Amino acid sequence: TQLLEQSPQFLSIQEGENLTVYCNSSSVFSSLQWYRQEPGEGPVLLVTVVTGGEVKKLKRLTFQFGDARKDSSLHITAAQPGDTGLYLCAGETSGSRLTFGEGTQLTVNP
Amino acid sequence: KAGVTQTPRYLIKTRGQQVTLSCSPISGHRSVSWYQQTPGQGLQFLFEYFSETQRNKGNFPGRFSGRQFSNSRSEMNVSTLELGDSALYLCASSPRTVTYEQYFGPGTRLTVT
Repeated sequence: TQLLEQSPQFLSIQEGENLTVYCNSSSVFSSLQWYRQEPGEGPVLLVTVVTGGEVKKLKRLTFQFGDARKDSSLHITAAQPGDTGLYLCAGETSGSRLTFGEGTQLTVNP
Repeated sequence: KAGVTQTPRYLIKTRGQQVTLSCSPISGHRSVSWYQQTPGQGLQFLFEYFSETQRNKGNFPGRFSGRQFSNSRSEMNVSTLELGDSALYLCASSPRTVTYEQYFGPGTRLTVT
């Protein structure tokens, strides 16, 4: 069973600060996805990375896939209260199954 | 396009009862997956259906079952409910193109008393 470890589990920061969330595994993934979930709602897909070393930017969010396709990071610049939520990474295996990390609960205080 | 819809949104059941949850995927998506989300275990994969066939199955007991209809709508059934089945049950549909991206519904919050 593939295991995806996310760190940190909880993060509370002030508006305007930068942060990085990490997603690590010993397994190789064919793709890795990041989702954000807000209370009372289902997760919403933010980005999919496919190629080792790939970097994608979504406004103030920067996603990177590790060269070996075993890990990924999410960096948020100048965090805002609207960024508050549960961030989940999910790795896709060659058998077309997704394994989710346990999530990082981010709180951005005004 | 309309998003994934799930009914009901909230449900309270008693131990030993059974429950059926419903999911309507995004139009054109033939893959429907079900997940259980709890604070302690996170998001756990239950099963995936594609074109009315179960394609993948997670590590859950046989009390958890599902099916998919010809219009891609899916149902999930849990029999002989236990207290530990209390969770948010999420349905997700996917176009299943190059990558297996999930589009989630809002979930059904099941409470077993």
